[in-house]
Amino acid sequence: AQSVTQLDSQVPVFEEAPVELRCNYSSSVSVYLFWYVQYPNQGLQLLLKYLSGSTLVKGINGFEAEFNKSQTSFHLRKPSVHISDTAEYFCAVESSGGSYIPTFGRGTSLIVHP
Amino acid sequence: GAVVSQHPSWVICKSGTSVKIECRSLDFQATTMFWYRQFPKQSLMLMATSNEGSKATYEQGVEKDKFLINHASLTLSTLTVTSAHPEDSSFYICSARASGAETQYFGPGTRLLVL
Repeated sequence: AQSVTQLDSQVPVFEEAPVELRCNYSSSVSVYLFWYVQYPNQGLQLLLKYLSGSTLVKGINGFEAEFNKSQTSFHLRKPSVHISDTAEYFCAVESSGGSYIPTFGRGTSLIVHP
Repeated sequence: GAVVSQHPSWVICKSGTSVKIECRSLDFQATTMFWYRQFPKQSLMLMATSNEGSKATYEQGVEKDKFLINHASLTLSTLTVTSAHPEDSSFYICSARASGAETQYFGPGTRLLVL
């Protein structure tokens, strides 16, 4: 079994400030990790993913995340946020064994203030 | 590439009627499609996994006779909410995955309101 914990339900931040959205997971097997963004009344858009290799993953819209196996974390970061980054962010984990069924965190609402 | 569409984007129906939602992969062959339900301010709840040409696998607690899933081709899956009731009102999202791929691509969602 696997699970995902997004520690913050809401993260308010001012425009141009840095932000980190936290994600921890638990799994008994190797995993793939994903971050998705959801704008109001829309589906999910893939921001970035970690499958293997370099633990620092760069995604779209200036976001990056670092896989830390010892801390079972995959925190999402952006050095300078924009108003348009206001959205819901979901972390997800899949076992790399091929079940391809993801487990999602409960989501973190990023609110960027001018 | 990797675009998934859903139709309709919004549907309002009367209690007791059935509603069909379509999910299409526009530029790839989706051997597996997933159907999710999302309540306001909550995460996605996986309802079922469907593989092309076979019966869908439903998650525990999801009524297969109420939520009929058909995945008849490599580019189309449908979810039919039968005899819909107000408690079925929700945001339904599909995703699609190509054979052997680690990444699934999501549709834009369908908001269902049952009056």
